[in-house]
Amino acid sequence: QQQVRQSPQSLTVWEGETAILNCSYENSAFDYFPWYQQFPGEGPALLIAIRSVSDKKEDGRFTIFFNKREKKLSLHITDSQPGDSATYFCAASAVNTGNYKYVFGAGTRLKVIA
Amino acid sequence: GGIITQTPKFLIGQEGQKLTLKCQQNFNHDTMYWYRQDSGKGLRLIYYSITENDLQKGDLSEGYDASREKKSSFSLTVTSAQKNEMAVFLCASSPGLGVEQYFGPGTRLTVL
Repeated sequence: QQQVRQSPQSLTVWEGETAILNCSYENSAFDYFPWYQQFPGEGPALLIAIRSVSDKKEDGRFTIFFNKREKKLSLHITDSQPGDSATYFCAASAVNTGNYKYVFGAGTRLKVIA
Repeated sequence: GGIITQTPKFLIGQEGQKLTLKCQQNFNHDTMYWYRQDSGKGLRLIYYSITENDLQKGDLSEGYDASREKKSSFSLTVTSAQKNEMAVFLCASSPGLGVEQYFGPGTRLTVL
């Protein structure tokens, strides 16, 4: 069962554009949603995270928009840079139920062209 | 700051062989995880350990064993490697529930 879905699978944008990466989930118990950035040959690194009590989280050029009713969230990367080219994973966890497990989406591969 | 070290970086084994992957963290984190990453797929949880001496199965535990030797180390054993099995195994640690997981660089496994 694919509990966390990401779209698109790959995305190409020009430098300076806004990249929009989408994520949806099925389990209404999920209440913590971290986004991870992974470069080739490296492990994933936390980029930004949001809890279900918020509908927006901003950190510099990275913003998460969260819609609890529709069980959807999106990561917006404004003023995209070639150095942002990486694979981005959306994950979900049910922290309030004492669950330590993350469920990861399949990732979106972002390419930013200069 | 801290670091997660995974050894070896590359592991090549034969079909049916028992293979062990090792992970060390110096964050002093309680919780550690093992994930498998297949090309084009997300990370799938194999085993995790909430504290020293604890062991919990993830969604992909069949064919694997794990051992939390001490707080700083967590090993994963592939009990019988399957031919054409190729994946990256990622170790992570976390200070507790509902907070960031820190990942190591991974071990790339190839089975001939």
